[in-house]
Amino acid sequence: SQELEQSPQSLIVQEGKNLTINCTSSKTLYGLYWYKQKYGEGLIFLMMLQKGGEEKSHEKITAKLDEKKQQSSLHITASQPSHAGIYLCGADSGGSNYKLTFGKGTLLTVNP
Amino acid sequence: GAGVSQSPSNKVTEKGKDVELRCDPISGHTALYWYRQSLGQGLEFLIYFQGNSAPDKSGLPSDRFSAERTGGSVSTLTIQRTQQEDSAVYLCASSATGTSTDTQYFGPGTRLTVL
Repeated sequence: SQELEQSPQSLIVQEGKNLTINCTSSKTLYGLYWYKQKYGEGLIFLMMLQKGGEEKSHEKITAKLDEKKQQSSLHITASQPSHAGIYLCGADSGGSNYKLTFGKGTLLTVNP
Repeated sequence: GAGVSQSPSNKVTEKGKDVELRCDPISGHTALYWYRQSLGQGLEFLIYFQGNSAPDKSGLPSDRFSAERTGGSVSTLTIQRTQQEDSAVYLCASSATGTSTDTQYFGPGTRLTVL
């Protein structure tokens, strides 16, 4: 079965700093999703990447999928306290039910 | 429009009791998923509904877990004879067509605590 490894597990940054979160797969990724979760809330969809080399941006968050489609990175520029939360990468397992397999998450703290 | 909603938001129950968790997907979405998020375990797939097809129950951890989806809309996840290891956040998600690369939108979850 597909496994996703996220790094780092947790990250503490000063407001205004840039940061990167990585997600590595043991298998080729058919679709890679990034979600954000705050305590007590559901997952908020950020971006989906499908093609090798693809890059998408939304406000100050940029996500990339490498050419081999086995690694994705999420980069936040000039972080703000509102960026704090748990970032989860999820991947389409490629099976007929299209369920998502998730990494364990990266806990981001942004200090003002 | 309205997103995925779940109820209750929190449920505390005693070991051995049955519980029912409800999910209202986004209107018009044909696919519905249940996931479980446990401390240290991450998010695990439980069950998948697509239209009128038979559900994919491959992720259910035991026969104490069951789910149904009535009229292709609302879904109920039932856990019978709850155990302490069932304590987790249960998340529901829906997608428009349930096909590959179709975005799944999640509800706020139900936090279940089994005493």
